Amino acid sequence: AQKITQTQPGMFVQEKEAVTLDCTYDTSDQSYGLFWYKQPSSGEMIFLIYQGSYDEQNATEGRYSLNFQKARKSANLVISASQLGDSAMYFCAMREGRTGGFKTIFGAGTRLFVKA
Amino acid sequence: GAVVSQHPSWVICKSGTSVKIECRSLDFQATTMFWYRQFPKQSLMLMATSNEGSKATYEQGVEKDKFLINHASLTLSTLTVTSAHPEDSSFYICSADRQGTNYGYTFGSGTRLTVV
Repeated sequence: AQKITQTQPGMFVQEKEAVTLDCTYDTSDQSYGLFWYKQPSSGEMIFLIYQGSYDEQNATEGRYSLNFQKARKSANLVISASQLGDSAMYFCAMREGRTGGFKTIFGAGTRLFVKA
Repeated sequence: GAVVSQHPSWVICKSGTSVKIECRSLDFQATTMFWYRQFPKQSLMLMATSNEGSKATYEQGVEKDKFLINHASLTLSTLTVTSAHPEDSSFYICSADRQGTNYGYTFGSGTRLTVV
């Protein structure tokens, strides 16, 4: 079964507008971590934001915020004030706890296109 | 900040030869490193978990004899693709677990392998 699901293969957003990238996950662990990474065309993986399963507040890092809804098992990434440089592939990832062997698995990704 | 150096960034080799890819943590000790493979326009697939001083743990479907992993020190893990074939052509990327942080794994810049 898919453990990380990103249902949007591609997304378009107008420059300076906000965009939400969806991510749902599935795990039986109580303790886990959720991450978002950005991968530009160069291939490098850039860490954006982290949310721990026990964190009560949504994580924020500059223009990035994570909309964490634990009961719904969703961890959507919100990018505010989109910039042309935000055009890239975005991956949602989950690091499971002991049950999952502490491994990090990735969703299929969402390609974001920012229009001028 | 935590830096992981991956070398080479790209390599072209002849079918039947072996290729070694290095992953080094430059400013921290990494007891655990992970090796991923990424096909074009696809997500990262975990190949194996590399633990310093012990055998690597391979994911289901990954050939241990094909993809040799060595983690002889706290700062270096290597992946050797043995007897490479064109179907092994892919983007290989490592990441290191900097224990004690929740700020995501640090990724190397990746290695694009082309087998001709």
